[in-house]
Amino acid sequence: GAVVSQHPSWVICKSGTSVKIECRSLDFQATTMFWYRQFPKQSLMLMATSNEGSKATYEQGVEKDKFLINHASLTLSTLTVTSAHPEDSSFYICSAKQGAVDYEQYFGPGTRLTVT
Amino acid sequence: GQNIDQPTEMTATEGAIVQINCTYQTSGFNGLFWYQQHAGEAPTFLSYNVLDGLEEKGRFSSFLSRSKGYSYLLLKELQMKDSASYLCAVIDSNYQLIWGAGTKLIIKP
Repeated sequence: GAVVSQHPSWVICKSGTSVKIECRSLDFQATTMFWYRQFPKQSLMLMATSNEGSKATYEQGVEKDKFLINHASLTLSTLTVTSAHPEDSSFYICSAKQGAVDYEQYFGPGTRLTVT
Repeated sequence: GQNIDQPTEMTATEGAIVQINCTYQTSGFNGLFWYQQHAGEAPTFLSYNVLDGLEEKGRFSSFLSRSKGYSYLLLKELQMKDSASYLCAVIDSNYQLIWGAGTKLIIKP
């Protein structure tokens, strides 16, 4: 149980375009979802935390107008990278928590974004 | 500030045992996770410790000492597939997950 999927698994886009990444909890309801970014040979960097039905909480230094997060349902959160630039190329990973007492985060497989 | 320290890289031999240490200074403590991450993949859960002591799960064991702010992950009978990064993460008093930078483990034949 506790499976999280992401789509797409990889995407290549041109500079200036927008890309949407979906994160779904397949067999549980995720009250909280997290979006991470990971550059090569670096650790995970938390970008934002989103709770279903409310605005996402962004970490310091993450532009909320550039990285739009929507958590419209208990099983779906989306991250939209707007006006993407080559420096946005990274590995984006989402994770989800089942509830307030479940501390474990279940990770999606990640999305490799390359901006040309 | 909050800080989690792990060695950047370790090398071990196939069939041997390796211990990866993690020390933390966080505002409160509600548990510690170890995750394994292969290159280009998302992290996968290995263990969760909230009480002092050793938790054994097959070839992997995890130890916690809350008074010392210290944990280690012990990997026995190393296999080539164990080559990966191992991430230590602590849940602080606000129930936020604080991540270490990870330890890259290289297994040699």
